[in-house]
Amino acid sequence: DAKTTQPNSMESNEEEPVHLPCNHSTISGTDYIHWYRQLPSQGPEYVIHGLTSNVNNRMASLAIAEDRKSSTLILHRATLRDAAVYYCILGRYAGNNRKLIWGLGTSLAVNP
Amino acid sequence: DTAVSQTPKYLVTQMGNDKSIKCEQNLGHDTMYWYKQDSKKFLKIMFSYNNKELIINETVPNRFSPKSPDKAHLNLHINSLELGDSAVYFCASSLGRITDTQYFGPGTRLTVL
Repeated sequence: DAKTTQPNSMESNEEEPVHLPCNHSTISGTDYIHWYRQLPSQGPEYVIHGLTSNVNNRMASLAIAEDRKSSTLILHRATLRDAAVYYCILGRYAGNNRKLIWGLGTSLAVNP
Repeated sequence: DTAVSQTPKYLVTQMGNDKSIKCEQNLGHDTMYWYKQDSKKFLKIMFSYNNKELIINETVPNRFSPKSPDKAHLNLHINSLELGDSAVYFCASSLGRITDTQYFGPGTRLTVL
């Protein structure tokens, strides 16, 4: 089964950009890349997703490598509220057998 | 106006007991899920229902039985609780399929003593 690999933890300073990497070297052609984050003591929440092209929304940007074997979630200006575990997930869209393949996540600490 | 709610938030019980966790969503979504998050924060899907029909049933002991009385509710009943069942259980919902954006509840922390 395809899987994602992320660093266990990262640290950033407030108001600086953060680049969270994810490797998914066994991604298949129809797999989407999803990112969710989990704030302390809360359920995960959707951040962003994409297939091939880079994506932007109000929360973050997603940069996808040309070969799709890796991607980077970019938080443009980290705030203390962005301290969370960030999950890089493959969304498998093969017919009726759809699934999300969750990774172990990166725990992001944001320093004031 | 909570989108996905779960009760109870905390559940402490003895081995061998039977317990239930309730989940409700007011988003009008067709699909609901139960996930288990262990102490290492790994999130694993257990079940998924679409319009009250079971569509995902991962390898879960048959002591766990989901029940969906209507598409806004998905309850999880656990028989004969074991120590290894201690975890945080999350309910989630999505408009349609699992790859649609999922909205998660706040979680239920189950501790089996």
